[in-house]
Amino acid sequence: DAKTTQPNSMESNEEEPVHLPCNHSTISGTDYIHWYRQLPSQGPEYVIHGLTSNVNNRMASLAIAEDRKSSTLILHRATLRDAAVYYCILRDVRGAQKLVFGQGTRLTINP
Amino acid sequence: DTGVSQDPRHKITKRGQNVTFRCDPISEHNRLYWYRQTLGQGPEFLTYFQNEAQLEKSRLLSDRFSAERPKGSFSTLEIQRTEQGDSAMYLCASSLLAGILETQYFGPGTRLLVL
Repeated sequence: DAKTTQPNSMESNEEEPVHLPCNHSTISGTDYIHWYRQLPSQGPEYVIHGLTSNVNNRMASLAIAEDRKSSTLILHRATLRDAAVYYCILRDVRGAQKLVFGQGTRLTINP
Repeated sequence: DTGVSQDPRHKITKRGQNVTFRCDPISEHNRLYWYRQTLGQGPEFLTYFQNEAQLEKSRLLSDRFSAERPKGSFSTLEIQRTEQGDSAMYLCASSLLAGILETQYFGPGTRLLVL
């Protein structure tokens, strides 16, 4: 599985946008970019995924660079409930279905 | 709530004892995964089932670990002769394979402490 690189931690203020970066320079053409997050004392939960085009859902937006070597998860208006560890994961559609987690980015939201 | 459930939520045991964890997936989900998570790390894959068939096992799953999903519904993960290094959060996830990619839904986990 291709490797991703994320900052260990980030901090933001409530009701402000948050941009969480992820580098994946060795991404292959069949790798989808997935984001999961893990709230304190809970299991991870799916946030969003994409292949080439930017994606939006009710939780977040995913901006994918044109060369696909990096992506950014965007929380448009952070709340205290968004404080979590965010994981950027590459999944090859041809290969195993397991998720390969890195250490993720711990996001702190200040009131 | 019809999410993934795990039992027990916490388990404290002494080294050398056997422990068994249960996972009840979301109804109709045909895939079930087990992961392990130690403090400060992301979850690590252990094994997964499609229906009752165990299709992949990680090398992390030593011979002291065994997982079953007898009727393609709930699953159990047993650890025999527990060691202090087995202390971790054990997470279960389920998914419905219906297309190229499936979303995994995680349970709250079972936190194991081996004394």
